[in-house]
Amino acid sequence: EDKVVQSPLSLVVHEGDTVTLNCSYEVTNFRSLLWYKQEKKAPTFLFMLTSSGIEKKSGRLSSILDKKELFSILNITATQTGDSAIYLCAVIMIKAAGNKLTFGGGTRVLVKP
Amino acid sequence: ETGVTQSPTHLIKTRGQQVTLRCSSQSGHNTVSWYQQALGQGPQFIFQYYREEENGRGNFPPRFSGLQFPNYSSELNVNALELDDSALYLCASSLYPGGDFPSGNTIYFGEGSWLTVV
Repeated sequence: EDKVVQSPLSLVVHEGDTVTLNCSYEVTNFRSLLWYKQEKKAPTFLFMLTSSGIEKKSGRLSSILDKKELFSILNITATQTGDSAIYLCAVIMIKAAGNKLTFGGGTRVLVKP
Repeated sequence: ETGVTQSPTHLIKTRGQQVTLRCSSQSGHNTVSWYQQALGQGPQFIFQYYREEENGRGNFPPRFSGLQFPNYSSELNVNALELDDSALYLCASSLYPGGDFPSGNTIYFGEGSWLTVV
């Protein structure tokens, strides 16, 4: 069965800290891995990763994919209280119906002032 | 703003009742997917519609059904509601069922509908 697992489940940090979130997957016909930030309701798109070893960067956020070891990490540097959210990773498989996303359980991040 | 709107935003239903949730996809998007997100969990794929036809289904019973209309808006219907159906229901729209990223086929989520079954 296709599986996407995120760790840790939750973490609490202080402003300025660096956070590393993990996403491992066991799926057939992997195509891409996506990271989303969910603050209240709608997940908002952060990154899409398809190739191994190529870092994607957006401001203080960065992400990389390892297709050999089947995982991805999302880094947030110099955290701010506005980074408090649930971070979701999701996998798209080639065989999947259209754009079906298989999500992990999410990591809840709380950044304290 | 993703251009994907869902209604209602919150609703409370009694066990055994039926509910209809609605989604208007972003202009021009012909594919709509529905996800169920229980508290503390990641979203789970329910089904997807492409050009008014079901195009894939997750592990949900038949009492979860859907429709897509010619304008690509969509409905999710749940019959015989159970307490475990309480969740955030998310609608996501995209342009093609399996297009290329990041050439324009991005998946946009709506704000969701919170369903509480009592």
